[in-house]
Amino acid sequence: DQQVKQNSPSLSVQEGRISILNCDYTNSMFDYFLWYKKYPAEGPTFLISISSIKDKNEDGRFTVFLNKSAKHLSLHIVPSQPGDSAVYFCAGGMDSSYKLIFGSGTRLLVRP
Amino acid sequence: DAGVIQSPRHEVTEMGQEVTLRCKPISGHNSLFWYRQTMMRGLELLIYFNNNVPIDDSGMPEDRFSAKMPNASFSTLKIQPSEPRDSAVYFCASSFMGALNTEAFFGQGTRLTVV
Repeated sequence: DQQVKQNSPSLSVQEGRISILNCDYTNSMFDYFLWYKKYPAEGPTFLISISSIKDKNEDGRFTVFLNKSAKHLSLHIVPSQPGDSAVYFCAGGMDSSYKLIFGSGTRLLVRP
Repeated sequence: DAGVIQSPRHEVTEMGQEVTLRCKPISGHNSLFWYRQTMMRGLELLIYFNNNVPIDDSGMPEDRFSAKMPNASFSTLKIQPSEPRDSAVYFCASSFMGALNTEAFFGQGTRLTVV
């Protein structure tokens, strides 16, 4: 049972445009959600998070939106830069257990 | 802080051999996680520890897999005997239990190839 799903394995956008990465979840017990970025041959690094009691969190070029009724979250990157090319994982977390459940990832390519 | 340290970075072994992956979490962190990354399933949680105690090992695929955390600064993930389908990148991550909405910090991973 995949509790966190990223249905788009890849995404390609032009530099300067908006990148939108999507994530769906099934577990309504998640207290927060996170996005991680992963470059080849490196471990995932934390990018941005959002509490389940909020619907938006912004940090510079990165904004995460949460729609609890639809059990859907998205990461917006604007403007996109070639250095943003990486695999992006979304994850759900529970404060009671501290474990993070990850999706399968979306590979983003930002074309110069 | 050096971050989460994993060793080795790469491991190539023959089917049937024992493999041991090692992890040193960030000092002061009290939760440790082992994940496996594959193309099909992304990042799978194998097992996690709180204060050196295994809390949830439901993600461990088979009895061939075992993990230990003898102290707060060291953990191992062992596969015995190894099989080609175990080939993947294995990540260790740590976090501090006690804060809300806590992110985990990952090591650089161990790429395991079983031939």
